[in-house]
Amino acid sequence: KQEVTQIPAALSVPEGENLVLNCSFTDSAIYNLQWFRQDPGKGLTSLLLIQSSQREQTSGRLNASLDKSSGRSTLYIAASQPGDSATYLCAVRPLIPQGGSEKLVFGKGTKLTVNP
Amino acid sequence: NAGVTQTPKFRILKIGQSMTLQCTQDMNHNYMYWYRQDPGMGLKLIYYSVGAGITDKGEVPNGYNVSRSTTEDFPLRLELAAPSQTSVYFCASRADRAYNSPLHFGNGTRLTVT
Repeated sequence: KQEVTQIPAALSVPEGENLVLNCSFTDSAIYNLQWFRQDPGKGLTSLLLIQSSQREQTSGRLNASLDKSSGRSTLYIAASQPGDSATYLCAVRPLIPQGGSEKLVFGKGTKLTVNP
Repeated sequence: NAGVTQTPKFRILKIGQSMTLQCTQDMNHNYMYWYRQDPGMGLKLIYYSVGAGITDKGEVPNGYNVSRSTTEDFPLRLELAAPSQTSVYFCASRADRAYNSPLHFGNGTRLTVT
């Protein structure tokens, strides 16, 4: 059974710092991995989607990497800003469907606070 | 561009009451989803639809029903509300059958059952 873990559950950093958020998954048989951002009281916003054949994806100050064989992904945020404060979730799409062909397996998220 | 719109934003139900959570999207997406998010937990898939007239169960479908009569709308029905259904409900959509199309989420409905 695929499980996704995000550690730490919460992270607080000063403004301007470069930081890394971690996501690990137990089964390397995945189609893709997606990183989301969730602001309080809001839905999830897709940040980056990495296909299983890719090693990384970049969007602005964000860079996501994927090491499928070791079951790890990282989200690197450069020059963090207070506006980056949010909860960041990762989700994998298993190759072998579990509980429906459209099921994603989500982590519980890392709550990031960037202090001015 | 409105994206995915959910109504209502908040609702309080008494045990045994029924309600429908509304979801509509204006992106002409075929794939639509209902998730629930409980505090400190990952999102769980309730139901999904791959197109008008087609729905299927997700991971936690018990106590819920859905219908998909149009491409735009995907309502979620709670028939006999129970305290275990207290949660935040999210509707989402994506463009096509390619698994590499990203999900677009609504802002959620916060439901309390007392």
